[in-house]
Amino acid sequence: GDSVTQMEGPVTLSEEAFLTINCTYTATGYPSLFWYVQYPGEGLQLLLKATKADDKGSNKGFEATYRKETTSFHLEKGSVQVSDSAVYFCALAQAGTALIFGKGTTLSVSS
Amino acid sequence: DADVTQTPRNRITKTGKRIMLECSQTKGHDRMYWYRQDPGLGLRLIYYSFDVKDINKGEISDGYSVSRQAQAKFSLSLESAIPNQTALYFCATSRQGDPYGYTFGSGTRLTVV
Repeated sequence: GDSVTQMEGPVTLSEEAFLTINCTYTATGYPSLFWYVQYPGEGLQLLLKATKADDKGSNKGFEATYRKETTSFHLEKGSVQVSDSAVYFCALAQAGTALIFGKGTTLSVSS
Repeated sequence: DADVTQTPRNRITKTGKRIMLECSQTKGHDRMYWYRQDPGLGLRLIYYSFDVKDINKGEISDGYSVSRQAQAKFSLSLESAIPNQTALYFCATSRQGDPYGYTFGSGTRLTVV
């Protein structure tokens, strides 16, 4: 079945460092891809999404590009802030099914 | 008020007890979902419902049951709670016309002792 694999954490960075969190997927057909973020003590919020190959999702300085040839959707940010500390989930969905999540990557940013 | 409300927010229960987690939404969405979050395992799908008369098992439905009482209400029951059901449970909703626009509740932290 469909699945999502993302890099294990925790990822620990200093403020203003460059962030990459890797995500690859296995799916039949052409899924939509997502990044969700969970801040401490809260539920999940959609960070960005891409619905077809070569689409780039972006929000709050974060970006991810849907790469069909490498089945990847890596999350990047050029300069992280302490407020970006959270758990990040890569996910996929296809029409008629529910969201499938990766295991999550914890990001900790220090000042 | 939150768009997706889960009750209770926290619950401690004993092994063998029956417990119900409730979810209600004001989004007007037709689709509702229950996920479970465990450290290092991400979110795993327990059950989902695409409308009031539709109930589907997810990846980890054993030991759980659900009831879709109305379009806005979707309850998750543990018939006989066991300690490895200790987890953070999330309800989510989406709309058929926008299947990718999920809204999540704030979660219910369940501890089974």
